[in-house]
Amino acid sequence: GAVVSQHPSWVICKSGTSVKIECRSLDFQATTMFWYRQFPKQSLMLMATSNEGSKATYEQGVEKDKFLINHASLTLSTLTVTSAHPEDSSFYICSASGDSDEQFFGPGTRLTVL
Amino acid sequence: SQQGEEDPQALSIQEGENATMNCSYKTSINNLQWYRQNSGRGLVHLILIRSNEREKHSGRLRVTLDTSKKSSSLLITASRAADTASYFCATVPFPYNTDKLIFGTGTRLQVFP
Repeated sequence: GAVVSQHPSWVICKSGTSVKIECRSLDFQATTMFWYRQFPKQSLMLMATSNEGSKATYEQGVEKDKFLINHASLTLSTLTVTSAHPEDSSFYICSASGDSDEQFFGPGTRLTVL
Repeated sequence: SQQGEEDPQALSIQEGENATMNCSYKTSINNLQWYRQNSGRGLVHLILIRSNEREKHSGRLRVTLDTSKKSSSLLITASRAADTASYFCATVPFPYNTDKLIFGTGTRLQVFP
């Protein structure tokens, strides 16, 4: 099956710093990648949809200047949390889709902002 | 915004028993999918059912879809301790011109040995 990786798997940073999370499709070309965040014991909330080579489409209520998404190639998308604050601490999950309907999910990145 | 709500929120059963989880959604859908998530991990795709299908099986999993009631159920038969996880339904809602998934609230299943 298709494999999606995320890096790092966990990160701890100080308040005010920026953190970059990478999402890679390892064995297929991902025309679309999705970014979700998940708070403890809650569901996944879609943050944004990105298509290779174009600007990401953000869901209502998600600050595009806060969560910068770049989908520069068919195998890589990055999410940068800028000027992170403790309330940004969460589990961030990406998924990728190619030719089929199915989305393949990464293992997630746990961000803790001190 | 979340499309689906699931019930129960939490379910505890003994090994060997069946587990049933229900999902309700709000808008028309293209398809409905069920995912599993072990604590602190990524999601595993379990099964996809299209809007023109009513029932689907995969191993010990049985999924039903009732588009008139905007609901779906996931049945896990002969549960095992290893089935302990959170289960989410997810839909591709109308106007489905993208593949974006909207997730339900999830059911936390605990299977005791």
